Amino acid sequence: RKEVEQDPGPFNVPEGATVAFNCTYSNSASQSFFWYRQDCRKEPKLLMSVYSSGNEDGRFTAQLNRASQYISLLIRDSKLSDSATYLCVVNPYSGNTPLVFGKGTRLSVIA
Amino acid sequence: SAVISQKPSRDICQRGTSLTIQCQVDSQVTMMFWYRQQPGQSLTLIATANQGSEATYESGFVIDKFPISRPNLTFSTLTVSNMSPEDSSIYLCSALFGGLSSPLHFGNGTRLTVT
Repeated sequence: RKEVEQDPGPFNVPEGATVAFNCTYSNSASQSFFWYRQDCRKEPKLLMSVYSSGNEDGRFTAQLNRASQYISLLIRDSKLSDSATYLCVVNPYSGNTPLVFGKGTRLSVIA
Repeated sequence: SAVISQKPSRDICQRGTSLTIQCQVDSQVTMMFWYRQQPGQSLTLIATANQGSEATYESGFVIDKFPISRPNLTFSTLTVSNMSPEDSSIYLCSALFGGLSSPLHFGNGTRLTVT
């Protein structure tokens, strides 16, 4: 099982739609979790951290289920500018590796 | 928030040559890392750049191929040596501004094409 696995995508959704991305991780000792956004030909940028109790930032909601080793990202009222690749990122707390990145899920929001 | 500047932003190089990528952070950071992102793939950690000592390389990466320097707490370089087309990739410098549980922040990346 890969360390971090994400929905393969791509997701093509109309403006205004709600879309959810899922991610599973293999290391049960992992303690910190993040969602990053990567635009085409750009570096990844932190979208939000994921907290145990779940957290919300505007139209974005992140959830963590430690028992199932599962993380989700919900985007409400999708905008054209949300089109990007969303990376699920986990800190496995092993050795010197700071973060492990999923392959990403591509989202295209269509007018 | 802190700024991570990376250069060059892109380069096209011939097989067998070497390229050095520079990364400058505008504040002191404890940890800096170099990642590679091949086309259609996720980010892969190359090494941790240790200040004042040899870098710590991940499995599959060696110092002879990817020598790294980190002379101080704000600067690091990655050299891609004796390049082949398989080295064509995006190389990303990153830094931790807090502890290991903090998120990483990235430079703008270097898009390398080897012909």
